[in-house]
Amino acid sequence: GQNIDQPTEMTATEGAIVQINCTYQTSGFNGLFWYQQHAGEAPTFLSYNVLDGLEEKGRFSSFLSRSKGYSYLLLKELQMKDSASYLCAVRDRDYQLIWGAGTKLIIKP
Amino acid sequence: IAGITQAPTSQILAAGRRMTLRCTQDMRHNAMYWYRQDLGLGLRLIHYSNTAGTTGKGEVPDGYSVSRANTDDFPLTLASAVPSQTSVYFCASSKVPGTDTQYFGPGTRLTVL
Repeated sequence: GQNIDQPTEMTATEGAIVQINCTYQTSGFNGLFWYQQHAGEAPTFLSYNVLDGLEEKGRFSSFLSRSKGYSYLLLKELQMKDSASYLCAVRDRDYQLIWGAGTKLIIKP
Repeated sequence: IAGITQAPTSQILAAGRRMTLRCTQDMRHNAMYWYRQDLGLGLRLIHYSNTAGTTGKGEVPDGYSVSRANTDDFPLTLASAVPSQTSVYFCASSKVPGTDTQYFGPGTRLTVL
């Protein structure tokens, strides 16, 4: 079967750095997405990786290792508004998105 | 309208009733999707449409039906609602089916009693 694993919840301090991991086992691979979802709101696109390596976008970076079936989202200079759930999704060989359950990130002052 | 809209925002429904959730996008995206999101589970695809006039089944299609009469609208119908269909429903769209970023509507919170 297809599986996406993320930690259920993480806590970090304002101004710090946090890394949210995602491991996947899917039938084929055609890219990995990270979405942010604030409580009660819709998911919004953060990043996309299809090749190995690091993609940087402001305070957020996303890393992919296809051989290890592994990705992480790195958030720097954490702000209170970063409190949200972070969803990892993998596009399989049929170009369907398989979603992880999400990681709830709690930021403390 | 800018982006994707969904209606209603929330609904409480008696079991056995028929319900249609509405989704409209104004981005002229070809593909549209319906997901449900339940606590502790990832988003699960119910149905999708790669272009107007075509639809396909996702991971959890039972009890749901869709239609795609035009590019903008993609309604989801529960023919006879059951309590297990209590969930938050998100509509999404992408310009190109399968290979493009998906953009989500604000969601409909449905409770079936």
